[in-house]
Amino acid sequence: NAGVTQTPKFRVLKTGQSMTLLCAQDMNHEYMYWYRQDPGMGLRLIHYSVGEGTTAKGEVPDGYNVSRLKKQNFLLGLESAAPSQTSVYFCASSYGVGAYMTDTQYFGPGTRLTVL
Amino acid sequence: KQEVTQIPAALSVPEGENLVLNCSFTDSAIYNLQWFRQDPGKGLTSLLLIQSSQREQTSGRLNASLDKSSGRSTLYIAASQPGDSATYLCAVRIISNFGNEKLTFGTGTRLTIIP
Repeated sequence: NAGVTQTPKFRVLKTGQSMTLLCAQDMNHEYMYWYRQDPGMGLRLIHYSVGEGTTAKGEVPDGYNVSRLKKQNFLLGLESAAPSQTSVYFCASSYGVGAYMTDTQYFGPGTRLTVL
Repeated sequence: KQEVTQIPAALSVPEGENLVLNCSFTDSAIYNLQWFRQDPGKGLTSLLLIQSSQREQTSGRLNASLDKSSGRSTLYIAASQPGDSATYLCAVRIISNFGNEKLTFGTGTRLTIIP
């Protein structure tokens, strides 16, 4: 199993450009998440999904959109990139047993995004 | 608002020593706590998950404890090895009365094991 994969690994954008980050998991997980990691701030949840066709806002959703058209894929979009979105983006997934996301999250390797 | 603190931010110890990493949180009404390891330029790998009803969890040379009332967790690493060098993060999960779930991460402790 590949686990959780993310594409691309690196990307440089100019302010105002758009892009989509792709996350894929082959573990048949129901729940998927997008985080950003910034120095001195820890990981912060951007958006998450509790199943195919569903999405929900996390802690820092502004400036991002997501879609979960297929169970195995979770896309993160930046419509108009800003320098404040320079960060490392991590995708994660979990089984999501029961009503709450109580089990272990499995992380992808990350995407390093720079917005000039 | 839940805040998770990990002190120190960096720690260096000689190979073979036992060591303890600390994690403290401000809201004791947590659902569970998880310890992760992050290698440079890589994603996070889950090490141990402790449910709120548990006091500790063990995996190999790792032992994590949880004291909800004092808002603390420790990760004990026995007989440290150079391969243990990484950043260790703790994360607490809370679930509100409305069913909203939130996972809050600490900023991590960067551990270096000196051969």
